[in-house]
Amino acid sequence: AQSVTQLGSHVSVSEGALVLLRCNYSSSVPPYLFWYVQYPNQGLQLLLKYTTGATLVKGINGFEAEFKKSETSFHLTKPSAHMSDAAEYFCAVSEYYNQGGKLIFGQGTELSVKP
Amino acid sequence: DTGVSQDPRHKITKRGQNVTFRCDPISEHNRLYWYRQTLGQGPEFLTYFQNEAQLEKSRLLSDRFSAERPKGSFSTLEIQRTEQGDSAMYLCASSSRGIEAFFGQGTRLTVV
Repeated sequence: AQSVTQLGSHVSVSEGALVLLRCNYSSSVPPYLFWYVQYPNQGLQLLLKYTTGATLVKGINGFEAEFKKSETSFHLTKPSAHMSDAAEYFCAVSEYYNQGGKLIFGQGTELSVKP
Repeated sequence: DTGVSQDPRHKITKRGQNVTFRCDPISEHNRLYWYRQTLGQGPEFLTYFQNEAQLEKSRLLSDRFSAERPKGSFSTLEIQRTEQGDSAMYLCASSSRGIEAFFGQGTRLTVV
């Protein structure tokens, strides 16, 4: 069975500092991996995805993530945090061929950005 | 922007009442998913459709829940005899190939 673990339910950084949100997954087949962002009382917006190919993927708003198969990780980073990055971030895994594209989400990490 | 649309955005209902939510996916997306999100948690999969066929239902989807997608376009999620534990955000998503899912704004249900 697939699962996702996000390490740290709350992360606080200063504006301009590095953002690192951790995600580890479990999957029996090569996974598709995603990061979504959610603002209060809103739906989820896709930041980036890994399916196949290059293991370092770039997304919107300056975020990127690296797929590391040996570590079963897909950590999200951004070199310099902005106040507007404050939100809830969710890592998700999908076993496309077996599961029809349904997503299994982690518990989420709330990112706070201090001025 | 013709993204995924959900209606209503908010619903307050008394325990025991029935409620129905609607989701309009992105045009021509053949896959449609329903998720439930409780406070402080990640979304949990409920069910998904490929065109009008409901292909998978989660164990979370009790007998009080039913979802339809009659013509392979919009979908409805009905909850009968609502309970306080049904209070959550209900999210709909659609995709064209089952890879990248686009989410709606969600319907927040409060059962009092």
